[in-house]
Amino acid sequence: DAGVIQSPRHEVTEMGQEVTLRCKPISGHNSLFWYRQTMMRGLELLIYFNNNVPIDDSGMPEDRFSAKMPNASFSTLKIQPSEPRDSAVYFCASSFPTGGDTQYFGPGTRLTVL
Amino acid sequence: GESVGLHLPTLSVQEGDNSIINCAYSNSASDYFIWYKQESGKGPQFIIDIRSNMDKRQGQRVTVLLNKTVKHLSLQIAATQPGDSAVYFCAETSGGNKLVFGAGTILRVKS
Repeated sequence: DAGVIQSPRHEVTEMGQEVTLRCKPISGHNSLFWYRQTMMRGLELLIYFNNNVPIDDSGMPEDRFSAKMPNASFSTLKIQPSEPRDSAVYFCASSFPTGGDTQYFGPGTRLTVL
Repeated sequence: GESVGLHLPTLSVQEGDNSIINCAYSNSASDYFIWYKQESGKGPQFIIDIRSNMDKRQGQRVTVLLNKTVKHLSLQIAATQPGDSAVYFCAETSGGNKLVFGAGTILRVKS
């Protein structure tokens, strides 16, 4: 079975550019999570969705960050405009709540903003 | 400028020995706990979980112990192998979907 799929795996961009990260959750999972991991702050939850609806976006750093989930099989995390301090690994995870709270992570997108 | 970051504790063990990784949590209302393993360049991978109505759960070569009195969680790995080298995270939740992750522990296995 395919796990959580993220694209791109690596992204290098220049400051000020728009960045869009993509995630396909595990089929049948109805919760989706976006995390950011850095050496400074560890693993941070940015936002999560239940049934395509954003539930908690308190971890989103600022208005430059936005996330959408137009359907059950796709989500995007957008940064506009990007800044060097946004450089991090961004993970998407999904879970099936009625089976427990276990979240299954994708391979991540390593973002470098120059 | 000076680089500042998380200083993760490191556990170094000899191949074949048992490893014990510890985690303290602060929320007494947490009722579900998970251990994740993260290898370099990969996402966190589920290892084992435990609910608060249990104090021990065993998997293949791994055991999780939960002490709710002192809010302590541990992961025991039997006969540690080089492939066990990774960063290990504990995570907790008090219901709902929001997991709170610990800072992580680096496990290094010496051959």
